[in-house]
Order: sequence, then structure tokens, then C-alpha cells
Amino acid sequence: EDKVVQSPLSLVVHEGDTVTLNCSYEVTNFRSLLWYKQEKKAPTFLFMLTSSGIEKKSGRLSSILDKKELFSILNITATQTGDSAIYLCAVGKVVNFNKFYFGSGTKLNVKP
Amino acid sequence: DADVTQTPRNRITKTGKRIMLECSQTKGHDRMYWYRQDPGLGLRLIYYSFDVKDINKGEISDGYSVSRQAQAKFSLSLESAIPNQTALYFCATSAVVGQPQHFGDGTRLSIL
Repeated sequence: EDKVVQSPLSLVVHEGDTVTLNCSYEVTNFRSLLWYKQEKKAPTFLFMLTSSGIEKKSGRLSSILDKKELFSILNITATQTGDSAIYLCAVGKVVNFNKFYFGSGTKLNVKP
Repeated sequence: DADVTQTPRNRITKTGKRIMLECSQTKGHDRMYWYRQDPGLGLRLIYYSFDVKDINKGEISDGYSVSRQAQAKFSLSLESAIPNQTALYFCATSAVVGQPQHFGDGTRLSIL
């Protein structure tokens, strides 16, 4: 059975801290791994990873994929209160439709 | 204006009622999806559609039905609502296989 597991489930840090969020997967015919940020409304896309070892970076956020060990991490440096959100990981398969398997998310709370 | 619009934003109703949630998009995407989100369970796929003639069940389609009225419109119906269908429902779209999905702001549905 295909499975995507995120850890930790929740995390509380203070502004300026660095955090690492984890996503491990057991999915046959892996195609891609995506990270989304969900504040109060719609999840918004952050990164899509398809190749091992290639870091994707956007400002203070970065992510990398390890296809051998079947996991990805999302790093946030110098956290700000605006980073408080649920971070979702989703895995896509090599099939002829755009179907993704989502993890349960990591809830990040950044305190001033 | 939002690219993916869901109506209503919030709905409270009683067990046994028929409910329709609507989704419209201006992104011109062929693929549309309905998910539900429950605390601790992430996003789970209910139905998806690749064009107006194509409807597919997701992992939790029981108790739901959908209609793809046009490329831009995809509605989700609960024929006889039950309390365990209380959840946050998201509509999403995507352009092509493997590309990130774009989400609406969600419909919060409570069934008493």
C-alpha cells in the first residue's frame, strides 16, 4: 500500500530558529515529491523534486530528495512568525494521470 | 479573483440532507480534483476528472458523487449527508501530468 509519512506531526519554535521537516514515502513507481504550505486557506505550492541530491531553494526555504532512502526534507532557516502553517508533502506516481498521495502534514508554530 | 473558486465557503447542515459543493476555475486546466481534509489524515482524494467525459473514483468515493458540467466546473454532491462527512473539502486543478495542483480556498462542511 502506498504511504507517505511526515514527521514531526507538530513543532513549536521561536523566531530565528532553523527547522527541518521530514517526509518519507513508500510508493511504487515514484515520479515526484511536492511540498505545499497551508496557512488558513488553500495549500500553496513550494517545491517539486524529481531527482536525488539536487537542492531546490527559495529564499529561506530549501528541500532535497533522497530516492535511495525514500525521503525528503524541507529546511526553513531564520524562521519568522509568517512561516507558521501546516506543511504538506505529496508524492506523485508514474502513471497516466495526475494523482498525488498526501502525508498528514507537519504543523509548524513559530513564536515571536 | 481567485483562479479556483469554491462555493460555499462554509456550510452547516443536518444528517440526511443532500448537499452540493461547487468548484469553478479560470486556469484553463483539464484536470480537476476533489479532496477532503481531516485533522491528522492529510488530504484524501474523493474523485478526479481529466475532461468533461472522464470521471474517476479516488480512494474515498463512497457516499459522494460528482459532475463535470464543463471544463471549468466540477461539483461534488453528498446525496445523504452523515456526520462523519464533516471535513474541509478542497477542489484542485492541474494542467498536465506531474505538475503541481492548484487549490481552492476550501469549503468547511459540518453535518449535525
